[in-house]
Amino acid sequence: EAQVTQNPRYLITVTGKKLTVTCSQNMNHEYMSWYRQDPGLGLRQIYYSMNVEVTDKGDVPEGYKVSRKEKRNFPLILESPSPNQTSLYFCASKPADGSGYTFGSGTRLTVV
Amino acid sequence: AQSVTQLDSHVSVSEGTPVLLRCNYSSSYSPSLFWYVQHPNKGLQLLLKYTSAATLVKGINGFEAEFKKSETSFHLTKPSAHMSDAAEYFCVSLTTDSWGKFQFGAGTQVVVTP
Repeated sequence: EAQVTQNPRYLITVTGKKLTVTCSQNMNHEYMSWYRQDPGLGLRQIYYSMNVEVTDKGDVPEGYKVSRKEKRNFPLILESPSPNQTSLYFCASKPADGSGYTFGSGTRLTVV
Repeated sequence: AQSVTQLDSHVSVSEGTPVLLRCNYSSSYSPSLFWYVQHPNKGLQLLLKYTSAATLVKGINGFEAEFKKSETSFHLTKPSAHMSDAAEYFCVSLTTDSWGKFQFGAGTQVVVTP
């Protein structure tokens, strides 16, 4: 089944403790992206990648890192999480054309 | 620059009546446009997409949308609402100058009453 898989689905962590949210897609898509969703602010793009080793900032990249060493994986790294990064995160992938993104099921992160 | 404006943050309809969700876009380039739906505590599901072919686009679950370049609009409609249509709906644009950047509207919350 074609899908985007994120892990974990739920995560509670403490301020400053580094964490990684994994994302994997099995559709051989070139593009991958991370979004966060917050009440009243909608979905905002954090980072996106156009292919292996090619990444670019989205609208809200501060406090996040990404890497794209393999085509299928696009992990989101929070080196020093803070409470304002408490949010619902979505990973997504798409082919390198005008097609839409396919979204993962989301990761609900709480930073205390 | 591109942007998407969803004109209604909340829409309430009775079951069996038509649904209209309004979306306007602004873009210097020819956009691809999408509607996504998010049910409570779920991810985002693609309803339909417009990519410069037919201006009337049919999607899943009886939804359709019409691209009107003269009005820069891409409104989503359904002739008869069902209780399962209660969800949040997002209008999204993608332009040829930046295939990676999806621009989301703020979302429209749809409530369906019996």
